[in-house]
Amino acid sequence: KAGVTQTPRYLIKTRGQQVTLSCSPISGHRSVSWYQQTPGQGLQFLFEYFSETQRNKGNFPGRFSGRQFSNSRSEMNVSTLELGDSALYLCASSSDQGGGNTIYFGEGSWLTVV
Amino acid sequence: QKEVEQDPGPLSVPEGAIVSLNCTYSNSAFQYFMWYRQYSRKGPELLMYTYSSGNKEDGRFTAQVDKSSKYISLFIRDSQPSDSATYLCAMRGSSNDYKLSFGAGTTVTVRA
Repeated sequence: KAGVTQTPRYLIKTRGQQVTLSCSPISGHRSVSWYQQTPGQGLQFLFEYFSETQRNKGNFPGRFSGRQFSNSRSEMNVSTLELGDSALYLCASSSDQGGGNTIYFGEGSWLTVV
Repeated sequence: QKEVEQDPGPLSVPEGAIVSLNCTYSNSAFQYFMWYRQYSRKGPELLMYTYSSGNKEDGRFTAQVDKSSKYISLFIRDSQPSDSATYLCAMRGSSNDYKLSFGAGTTVTVRA
């Protein structure tokens, strides 16, 4: 069974640009979450989607947005990039089958803003 | 004060030693507790998953949860150099809450 797949793995963007990251969850998983990981702040929750609806959102500015498609694949977008947006962006998926469900992470997308 | 506190280390132990890691938390709503292992430039890998208080063992790994003290632990027995990684504790509330709150992560080095 394939794991959580994220693309691209590495990218470099310039301040002011926008970026779109993609995530394919584990087959059968309908919940997809996004996290930002930085050395200073650690892993921080961005948002979670289930059946194309955002169910939960973290404390990030509106420049960070996401969406989920009918096949559960998800994208996140960051507009007007700032240097501080340089981070590892992680996608996680879960089967959403009650309390026993577990959350699995992908390898992440490394974003560098210059 | 952070919702989840974890000593970032670093922690260095000789091969074969027991590695002891722990986290404290302040949110009494947390019910599900996880430990992830993250190698350099990789995504977090789920190691242990525990619901509510108690102990759980899986091979060389033992996870303990004490909800009355808001304290969780991970023990790694017979540590190996391949266990060298950053260990992250994570927790969440209800079964419908998929937002994980993470500790800062503890960097562990097992010396051969």
